[in-house]
Amino acid sequence: GAGVSQSPRYKVAKRGQDVALRCDPISGHVSLFWYQQALGQGPEFLTYFQNEAQLDKSGLPSDRFFAERPEGSVSTLKIQRTQQEDSAVYLCASSLGGGRVGYGYTFGSGTRLTVV
Amino acid sequence: KNEVEQSPQNLTAQEGEFITINCSYSVGISALHWLQQHPGGGIVSLFMLSSGKKKHGRLIATINIQEKHSSLHITASHPRDSAVYICAAFTSNTGNQFYFGTGTSLTVIP
Repeated sequence: GAGVSQSPRYKVAKRGQDVALRCDPISGHVSLFWYQQALGQGPEFLTYFQNEAQLDKSGLPSDRFFAERPEGSVSTLKIQRTQQEDSAVYLCASSLGGGRVGYGYTFGSGTRLTVV
Repeated sequence: KNEVEQSPQNLTAQEGEFITINCSYSVGISALHWLQQHPGGGIVSLFMLSSGKKKHGRLIATINIQEKHSSLHITASHPRDSAVYICAAFTSNTGNQFYFGTGTSLTVIP
């Protein structure tokens, strides 16, 4: 597609349930970020991939959060044993540039996760 | 102190008014993005700037690299412009990273 696609668009999970959020970046995009945005807050960094390599995962809030990008394209953010504080919009952004190139990032529309 | 500060936090305007949202940042940047987020959470990229000025329809974005400041202007505002506008600074100084402002919530009243 023409943009970064995230699915599902909305997800309601019962507390304790595992969820998987998907990001389809623009074809050929090397860099991929995941961000978490709590209600009324700005997005907070979770993790960064360059191709299939997860170069920075310092923002993942706990070991319940896991992200992968096994073939350097589609990325999945998995949250195990969801808790209410995990409720947020999860944003994905990708860029053609890798390394220190910082231009041309495209954001997905986000997945809104609600844990009940 | 946040790396990116936006003002105002909340803004209510009458339809047709000229609107300005400001963004100041403290990090060295490769590019600055303006994003629009609607109530459902979906994000639309409006502009990416590294210098000067860009215009798209009724939206204008400017950046002053020396002053580390950017503005987003909306001319002839319309109720459909009601959204949260987020400034995001991209830096590669200490590894690739976005720093986001907390957003400006704009409501345009008919």
